[in-house]
Amino acid sequence: EAQVTQNPRYLITVTGKKLTVTCSQNMNHEYMSWYRQDPGLGLRQIYYSMNVEVTDKGDVPEGYKVSRKEKRNFPLILESPSPNQTSLYFCASSAIMQPQHFGDGTRLSIL
Amino acid sequence: QKEVEQNSGPLSVPEGAIASLNCTYSDRGSQSFFWYRQYSGKSPELIMSIYSNGDKEDGRFTAQLNKASQYVSLLIRDSQPSDSATYLCAVNPGRRGGSEKLVFGKGTKLTVNP
Repeated sequence: EAQVTQNPRYLITVTGKKLTVTCSQNMNHEYMSWYRQDPGLGLRQIYYSMNVEVTDKGDVPEGYKVSRKEKRNFPLILESPSPNQTSLYFCASSAIMQPQHFGDGTRLSIL
Repeated sequence: QKEVEQNSGPLSVPEGAIASLNCTYSDRGSQSFFWYRQYSGKSPELIMSIYSNGDKEDGRFTAQLNKASQYVSLLIRDSQPSDSATYLCAVNPGRRGGSEKLVFGKGTKLTVNP
């Protein structure tokens, strides 16, 4: 089954404790992206990647890191999480010139 | 700052009616436009993509694009209670087609009343 898999689905953690949210797709897609969704602000792109070792900033990259060492994986790293990064996070992927498909989301709470 | 604006809603229609959802965008060079549906607590799900001026129909859904007016809309015919969701308009502001960098509107919440 074609899918975008995020882990964990839910995480409660504390300020400053490094965390990684993993994203994996099994569709051999070139493009992958991370978004955060906040009430009243909608979906905003954090980072995107157009292929292995090619990443670029989206609209809200501050406080986040990404890497794309393999085509199927695109982890999101929060080196020193802060409460303002509490949000619902989505990973998405697409083939070139095709619409994005989203994972099920990760609800992250930082205390 | 590239922007995508949607009707703030919420929009309420009776079952069987036509629901009309509207979206405007600021970047005149945008080439790719998408409508996603998002149920509460779930991930966005693609409904339609449109790249050329005019109408594109898929079942009960019709997307309309007018690049001169920087306007894209979604019509849902014969609305069903299962269509009740938040509808997100998304635009790729890049000069070439594709969806690697999307800007989303804040969404319009639609309720279809039985």
